[in-house]
Amino acid sequence: GNSVTQMEGPVTLSEEAFLTINCTYTATGYPSLFWYVQYPGEGLQLLLKATKADDKGSNKGFEATYRKETTSFHLEKGSVQVSDSAVYFCALSDGYGGSQGNLIFGKGTKLSVKP
Amino acid sequence: DGGITQSPKYLFRKEGQNVTLSCEQNLNHDAMYWYRQDPGQGLRLIYYSQIVNDFQKGDIAEGYSVSREKKESFPLTVTSAQKNPTAFYLCASTQGGTSSGNTIYFGEGSWLTVV
Repeated sequence: GNSVTQMEGPVTLSEEAFLTINCTYTATGYPSLFWYVQYPGEGLQLLLKATKADDKGSNKGFEATYRKETTSFHLEKGSVQVSDSAVYFCALSDGYGGSQGNLIFGKGTKLSVKP
Repeated sequence: DGGITQSPKYLFRKEGQNVTLSCEQNLNHDAMYWYRQDPGQGLRLIYYSQIVNDFQKGDIAEGYSVSREKKESFPLTVTSAQKNPTAFYLCASTQGGTSSGNTIYFGEGSWLTVV
């Protein structure tokens, strides 16, 4: 079945360090891919998305490129800030669920940024 | 402001008791979802509804029930049959499903604890 695998955390970085959170997926067809962020005690917020191969999603300095050949959607940021500390979820839309598509989430990666 | 409102934020349930979590959205979205989040498990889909008066089971529907009598409301009942209900519950909605990259919006979540 469809699935998402992301690197286990926690990830601890110093401010201004480079961030990569790996995400790979298994899916039939051509899923849409998403990164969501969850700040402590809150729900999830969409960070960025890509709907087809080679698309690059970007937002707030974060980027991820939809790589069909490697079935990956790695999240990157050149210089992290303390305020980026959160849990990050990679997700795909499998196109099923009454043809409307439901999201399948990875287990999340907790990022802690130290000043 | 448009958004998704979940209530209560914190809820305690006694053994053998049914409880209902409220989810209301004013985004005019057709599709609504309930997810359960456990530490280190990511999000798992409980139920979803694509349209009023219709809903479908997700991956972990046992011990839960829902209704969709109004477009803006999708309450979740955690029944006494759910043996391990302590978790963080997230309601979400989207317009047109996620398979074409439509954003899914989340509420801020409800913490349910069995005492």
